Amino acid sequence: EPEVTQTPSHQVTQMGQEVILRCVPISNHLYFYWYRQILGQKVEFLVSFYNNEISEKSEIFDDQFSVERPDGSNFTLKIRSTKLEDSAMYFCASSPLHNSYEQYFGPGTRLTVT
Amino acid sequence: DAKTTQPNSMESNEEEPVHLPCNHSTISGTDYIHWYRQLPSQGPEYVIHGLTSNVNNRMASLAIAEDRKSSTLILHRATLRDAAVYYCILYGGATNKLIFGTGTLLAGQP
Repeated sequence: EPEVTQTPSHQVTQMGQEVILRCVPISNHLYFYWYRQILGQKVEFLVSFYNNEISEKSEIFDDQFSVERPDGSNFTLKIRSTKLEDSAMYFCASSPLHNSYEQYFGPGTRLTVT
Repeated sequence: DAKTTQPNSMESNEEEPVHLPCNHSTISGTDYIHWYRQLPSQGPEYVIHGLTSNVNNRMASLAIAEDRKSSTLILHRATLRDAAVYYCILYGGATNKLIFGTGTLLAGQP
């Protein structure tokens, strides 16, 4: 059964450093998403991406964040200058269509900012 | 954003059915009712969704009230492997983001 994969599983970085989290969505899916979950808190939407552009983003997704689909298979989330409060699990998801259709989530990347 | 209300926690007995309720009194006509679950240390996992009619799949059943203001996720034979947080989410209309609440923590009893 096809699945969303994410790398790395755990990333440790120092405050102020740039990180790139990588995701490979399910191959025939068209919509891509990033969510995050700070330890002990709710899963929060960050951004959705369709047709090579952002279709929706949350207040969390400020200028420090960017997304890209560089090669038709990978979907990346970049944090330019990490802060301590960026420490969280970051989940990538994809769906074949939007609105009524289910989203398939990856296993997540645990980002620890020290 | 349309809201849902779920109990904070419930218990299930091994191999017995469990009914997880969700209230969504402000649901709009274009909102689909989605259920996801999150097992410990894993990403959310799609369970089932519906619009007006009851739905069944290999994981669960979804019973939707006639006025659509509430729904119930039914796990027919819950096991310890079903211990997770279950989220009821309204999804549709102009947005394609999932808004997660705190969900219901389903704890299994052997």
